[in-house]
Amino acid sequence: DSGVTQTPKHLITATGQRVTLRCSPRSGDLSVYWYQQSLDQGLQFLIHYYNGEERAKGNILERFSAQQFPDLHSELNLSSLELGDSALYFCASSDSYEQYFGPGTRLTVT
Amino acid sequence: GEDVEQSLFLSVREGDSSVINCTYTDSSSTYLYWYKQEPGAGLQLLTYIFSNMDMKQDQRLTVLLNKKDKHLSLRIADTQTGDSAIYFCAGGGATNKLIFGTGTLLAVQP
Repeated sequence: DSGVTQTPKHLITATGQRVTLRCSPRSGDLSVYWYQQSLDQGLQFLIHYYNGEERAKGNILERFSAQQFPDLHSELNLSSLELGDSALYFCASSDSYEQYFGPGTRLTVT
Repeated sequence: GEDVEQSLFLSVREGDSSVINCTYTDSSSTYLYWYKQEPGAGLQLLTYIFSNMDMKQDQRLTVLLNKKDKHLSLRIADTQTGDSAIYFCAGGGATNKLIFGTGTLLAVQP
């Protein structure tokens, strides 16, 4: 158990809908990262937050957004969902250079 | 650009050593990591090496880094059936985002 929690574990929704994925980092970690894992793209970095501020963006679509709250949990919002957004979404937390991953949220868009 | 490549599949017999290889293009990677992913699970951080090191040993795991050739390897001694999983190498630099390889599926035959 990495100490990083993600909810929900599974999410099934229809095209055009909006969903919110939640991540709670390890106690004391100020950094939260979001990654997407899909069969065709592999594991890709989406976005990094540090203590509430956005620090780096990767290949994140404009339909996707994230935030980190004062209690350090983070949410990833995915809107206008398309079939191709079906993937595993991981968050990771860190207090230095080691990133610890949560169990992931499997999103299925039908 | 940033790219990390791995061979797709490796099969070994229980008790043998496994060597998983990785090549990367981004010479600015400060840390290089190995993660393990079991079916339906998240990514487990196995070990990492700082870019100014050549070798790191951690129990059954040995990481070798050849900076000149941008080649990283993970050796697992006395491989067990519980080691069957997908292994990802990843590079991390100043931005802290991780660039992952394609993953190597390790199959351990009893």
